[in-house]
Amino acid sequence: DGGITQSPKYLFRKEGQNVTLSCEQNLNHDAMYWYRQDPGQGLRLIYYSQIVNDFQKGDIAEGYSVSREKKESFPLTVTSAQKNPTAFYLCASSISETNSEFFGPGTRLTVL
Amino acid sequence: GQNIDQPTEMTATEGAIVQINCTYQTSGFNGLFWYQQHAGEAPTFLSYNVLDGLEEKGRFSSFLSRSKGYSYLLLKELQMKDSASYLCAVRDSNYQLIWGAGTKLIIKP
Repeated sequence: DGGITQSPKYLFRKEGQNVTLSCEQNLNHDAMYWYRQDPGQGLRLIYYSQIVNDFQKGDIAEGYSVSREKKESFPLTVTSAQKNPTAFYLCASSISETNSEFFGPGTRLTVL
Repeated sequence: GQNIDQPTEMTATEGAIVQINCTYQTSGFNGLFWYQQHAGEAPTFLSYNVLDGLEEKGRFSSFLSRSKGYSYLLLKELQMKDSASYLCAVRDSNYQLIWGAGTKLIIKP
C-alpha cells in the first residue's frame, strides 16, 4: 500500500532535549513538507523540500532542522532552541509543488 | 500580509445542507483546496478549484470566485461522520499553501 508514515504517534521529551520525528513516503513524490498545527490556528509551514538534497525554510523554521538525503525520507529535528515545541506535527508530500498534498497521520509531541 | 478567513464553528442537522465559506487575501493565486480533518487525525484532501465555478464530487461541492477572493464548500445530506474540521487553503505565487484555521462542523441528530 502506498502512503506516508510518521512515527511515533505520541512522543514525550524533557525540555532541553533534541528530538527527531520521522516521515517516510512510498508514493514516489518529489515534494515533502513539515507543518505544525496548534489549537485555533491554521497549519504553519516549517520546512519543505522539492527535490532530494534540497530544502527550504518555511514560515517558522527557527529551532528546527531537516534533511532530505533520500526521496522517501524527510526527518524533522526539533532542537532545544525551539521555545514552544509542544504541538501536533504533520508531514505531507505531493507529486510536485503544484499538486494537492497528502498527509501522514501526524506526531503529537509533548515537551515536559 | 496573507490571510484566510473561515468561521470558527458551525452546527447543522443530520440530513440537512451546510455551506462553509472561505475568503482569502494572498500574494498570487495558484488554486484553492479544501481538506477534512477529524479530531486528532491528519487532514484528507476533499477538493481543488483553480477556475471560477462549481466543482461537484458526490455529496460535496466546492465553489470559487477569484475576483471576490471567495470560496465555499457545500455539504449535502449530512451524516454524523461529517462532524469534523474543514480547512481552506490557498496556493500562493510561491506555490506555498496558506491555511485557514479551519471550521469545526458539529452535526446534530
